[in-house]
Amino acid sequence: QVQLVQSGAEVEKPGASVKVSCKASGYTFTRHDINWVRQAPGQGLEWMGWMNPNSGNTGYAQTFQGRVTITRNTSISTAYMELSSLRSEDTAVYYCARGRWEGSLYYFDYWGQGTLVTVSS
Amino acid sequence: QLVLTQSPSASASLGASVKLTCTLSSGHSNYAIAWHQQQPEKGPRYLMKVNSDGSHSKGDGIPDRFSGSRSGAERYLTISSLQSEDEADYYCQTWGTGIGVFGGGTKLTVL
Repeated sequence: QVQLVQSGAEVEKPGASVKVSCKASGYTFTRHDINWVRQAPGQGLEWMGWMNPNSGNTGYAQTFQGRVTITRNTSISTAYMELSSLRSEDTAVYYCARGRWEGSLYYFDYWGQGTLVTVSS
Repeated sequence: QLVLTQSPSASASLGASVKLTCTLSSGHSNYAIAWHQQQPEKGPRYLMKVNSDGSHSKGDGIPDRFSGSRSGAERYLTISSLQSEDEADYYCQTWGTGIGVFGGGTKLTVL
C-alpha cells in the first residue's frame, strides 16, 4: 500500500533553516509528484510547492518563493522540503502529499503523517 | 483569481445526513475539486474528487456513505448515516495555473 513517512518533529531558532524528509513506499517514486502543504496551529491547509521526482522540476507558491526548496533522492525514494530564514509564523505542521492528474484536476491522493516544526528562540 | 469558499462550520445529528458546500469563484465554475477529511489530531485524508459534470470518484476504502455532486459553481460533499468518527474538518481543493488551492475548511460537529 502507498505510504508517505515523514521525519520527526523539529525545533529551530528564528533565522535558521529546517529540512523535512518524506519517504515514499508502495509505488514507483518517480511516477508521481510530491507536494508540500503546511498547517499553522488552528488554521487551514496552505499549499507550498510541488516536485516531479523524475525530472527534479519544481514549482512554488509565491508566498514561499526564495525561502523554500524541494529536492529528492530517487535512490531511497525520499523527498525533502527545506525552509530557510525561519520566523515564528512558520511554526506549523508540514505535510507531504502525493500529487496526481486525473482529467483536468491535479489533486493529492495520499498524505504523510505530518511533521511539527516549531520556531522559537 | 481562483478561490474556494466554504462555510466555517456545520452540524448534524448522529445517524442523519449533512451536505457540505464548496463554492468556486467567478469564472471557474467548470473546475473539478477534491475533498479531504482531517479528523482531530490527524493528517488529512483524501476522500473523493467531484468533476464538473457532477460525477465523483472516491479514494481507497472510503465508505459508500460519502458521495459528491455539483450545482453550477457549487461542489458538494454529502455524508449520510453520520457516525461519531465523521466529526472532522473537511477541505476542498483544486488546482490553478501551477498552484494548489484549498478552501478554508468546514468543521463538522456530530451532535
